[in-house]
Parts: sequence; structure tokens; C-alpha cells
Amino acid sequence: GQQLNQSPQSMFIQEGEDVSMNCTSSSIFNTWLWYKQDPGEGPVLLIALYKAGELTSNGRLTAQFGITRKDSFLNISASIPSDVGIYFCAGLNNNDMRFGAGTRLTVKP
Amino acid sequence: KAGVTQTPRYLIKTRGQQVTLSCSPISGHRSVSWYQQTPGQGLQFLFEYFSETQRNKGNFPGRFSGRQFSNSRSEMNVSTLELGDSALYLCASSLAQRYGYTFGSGTRLTVV
Repeated sequence: GQQLNQSPQSMFIQEGEDVSMNCTSSSIFNTWLWYKQDPGEGPVLLIALYKAGELTSNGRLTAQFGITRKDSFLNISASIPSDVGIYFCAGLNNNDMRFGAGTRLTVKP
Repeated sequence: KAGVTQTPRYLIKTRGQQVTLSCSPISGHRSVSWYQQTPGQGLQFLFEYFSETQRNKGNFPGRFSGRQFSNSRSEMNVSTLELGDSALYLCASSLAQRYGYTFGSGTRLTVV
């Protein structure tokens, strides 16, 4: 099946620092999505990307749909304690959504 | 408006039993997907339903099945439970692919 490689697996950063994470795939996706999951809850959609090269922002979050359609990047600027959680990338083709393994973010005040 | 509702939130079952999980999508959403989340395997796609028809299926054994009703509510059934079926089962609904999927809070299944 389609595999998504997400990196890094975990990050420990200081409050105020910027964060970057990425996702790559051997397969092309029509849509890339980024989700955040808090403990005991389902993932929450942060950003959706629909075409190659697209760059989209949501507050301090910025994500890009790679030109090859096989990768995507998420940046978080000026991190705050509530950014703590697990971030997942997801590739979507024809209502079949596949997830990366997640990036666990810890923010130290 | 109400989000995706999954019931029950927690469930403990014994090996060999079967279990049925329920998902009520956001009103108007006709696509419902199910995922299994475990620490070792991450989020894995089980299946997706649209208008009572299964459109996509992940790589799970036949013990895992689902269905969708005419009101878009969906159920997932796991028969002959195994210890390895212990996981968080997440349901997600969507209005259309371009809007992404909204997840429920999940059902935490523990098999003992």
C-alpha cells in the first residue's frame, strides 16, 4: 500500500522557536492534509493542500504541497506551549486517506 | 453544529468476543471512514463508505467489517477479537474530498 514517511519522529524545542516537519511518499497524492492530535482525542485538521506547489497558511502554520506531488512540508513559527501534540501528514486519493507515523512535538516554556 | 460522534468511548472485551462500534457523522456528510490507531502501527485505514456502499478498503482481515445506513450513520464490527485488536478506533466524515475529513474522539477498545 501507499507509505508515507514523516520526519522527524519527535522534536523538543524551546518556546518561540520555529518548527519544520515533512512527509514524503513513493506515490503521488491529489490532496495533502496536516492534522494535529491531542491525547485522548481524534486528529484535528490544520491545513489542506489541493495542488502541486500550493503554499497555504493558517495563523502561525504554513504548509506546502510539493511540486512532485509526493511530498509536503509543515512549518510552525514562534511555537507556544499549546502547540504540543502529535502532528500527522496525510495523503488523499479518491477518498482513501493514508497517514504518516506522526511527529511528536514537545515545547519547553 | 455537532461534530462526529463515536460511541462508546471506552470498551473492554474478552478474546473471542465480537464488538460493534458506532459513528454518527456530521449532518450532511455522506462519506464515513474508519481507522485503527495503535502505538506500533500508527493510523491505519480500515474502510470508507459513501451512500451505504463501501468504496475503499484497507488491508485488514475479514474479521473487520462495516456498514453504513441510509442516514449516513456507520457501524464497524470486529468478530473473534484478538489481543492485537486493542486500539483506538477513529471514525471520520467528510462532505467532499477537497474539505478533508473531520474525526470523532474515537472508541478505545481493550481486548483482554
